[in-house]
Amino acid sequence: AQSVTQLGSHVSVSEGALVLLRCNYSSSVPPYLFWYVQYPNQGLQLLLKYTSAATLVKGINGFEAEFKKSETSFHLTKPSAHMSDAAEYFCAVSVNTNAGKSTFGDGTTLTVKP
Amino acid sequence: DAGVTQSPTHLIKTRGQQVTLRCSPKSGHDTVSWYQQALGQGPQFIFQYYEEEERQRGNFPDRFSGHQFPNYSSELNVNALLLGDSALYLCASSPAGGGGNQPQHFGDGTRLSIL
Repeated sequence: AQSVTQLGSHVSVSEGALVLLRCNYSSSVPPYLFWYVQYPNQGLQLLLKYTSAATLVKGINGFEAEFKKSETSFHLTKPSAHMSDAAEYFCAVSVNTNAGKSTFGDGTTLTVKP
Repeated sequence: DAGVTQSPTHLIKTRGQQVTLRCSPKSGHDTVSWYQQALGQGPQFIFQYYEEEERQRGNFPDRFSGHQFPNYSSELNVNALLLGDSALYLCASSPAGGGGNQPQHFGDGTRLSIL
């Protein structure tokens, strides 16, 4: 079975500051990892994905994440926060044998202060 | 290019009733998954449909059932509604049989409230 832990249910940063959202996963087989963003009253939008190619993955809106197998981590970063980045962020894991079933973390709400 | 569409957007039911939620996948996608997202939590996998069959199921009771039609659209049915079924129900589609490396495309969800 797979699981995801997102450390910090709420993160607050100032506009222009570094964004760091933490995700640790557990999987008995090589995982596929995803970050999604959810704005109020909307569904989830894919930010980026790791599918066993490059360990540093670049996504949309300036976000990137690094897969670290030794730390079982897939933290999401952005060098400079914008007000429009305020949203809820979800880390998810799936494995090929599960035919696309994703296990999600409980999410991190990002607040950006002016 | 139409994305995933869900209907209705909001629904209010009372305990014991039955509800049907509908989903049309993104064009070119053949796999549909349903998730339940309770307030303040991440989405929880309910089940996945591919080739009109339920391919995999999460830890949800038999009160939750579904269907996929030949045009790949899908329905989620919930019987004997409980207060705890109040949640945002998300439909997600993916292409090519929905392998684990395929990201899912989500609809905006149906907000179900049970009174």
